[in-house]
Amino acid sequence: EDKVVQSPLSLVVHEGDTVTLNCSYEVTNFRSLLWYKQEKKAPTFLFMLTSSGIEKKSGRLSSILDKKELSSILNITATQTGDSAIYLCAVVIKAAGNKLTFGGGTRVLVKP
Amino acid sequence: GAVVSQHPSWVICKSGTSVKIECRSLDFQATTMFWYRQFPKQSLMLMATSNEGSKATYEQGVEKDKFLINHASLTLSTLTVTSAHPEDSSFYICSVCPQETQYFGPGTRLLVL
Repeated sequence: EDKVVQSPLSLVVHEGDTVTLNCSYEVTNFRSLLWYKQEKKAPTFLFMLTSSGIEKKSGRLSSILDKKELSSILNITATQTGDSAIYLCAVVIKAAGNKLTFGGGTRVLVKP
Repeated sequence: GAVVSQHPSWVICKSGTSVKIECRSLDFQATTMFWYRQFPKQSLMLMATSNEGSKATYEQGVEKDKFLINHASLTLSTLTVTSAHPEDSSFYICSVCPQETQYFGPGTRLLVL
């Protein structure tokens, strides 16, 4: 059974701190890994990772995939209160019609 | 990315009634759309894959007769929760998938009393 696990489940930081979120997966026929941010409504897309070792960056957020370790990390530097959200990791499986298997999410709370 | 809308954004209904949720792809012709359900403090769970012009593909444990999916055009898929019960109360989200990345609609909150 395909599995995606995120850690930690939740964390609380102060503005300005750096956070590192982990996502590990055990799937057959890995295609790509996606990161999403979910606030009050539906998830918004952050990154898609397909190749190992290539960092993707957007402002204070960055992410990298390690296919050897079957994992990915999402970093947020200089956190702000607006970064408070649930961060979801999902894996796309080949030959499964682009279906996503989601991890349980990491709830991040950034205090002023 | 793709722009996806859902209607209604929230609905309250009595137990036993049916509720229809619409998902529209506004700038992308979607032959496939996905329907997810999210319970409080849980992650998204895929319910079914909606296929334009053919039957939907349901995930294990999702009753196809209870959650009717119709994908009659390249821009519209509907999910009907039939004979809704309080345990069907949840956040229902659809998505489209241009170029391997899924983009989500804003979601529909359903509360069944």
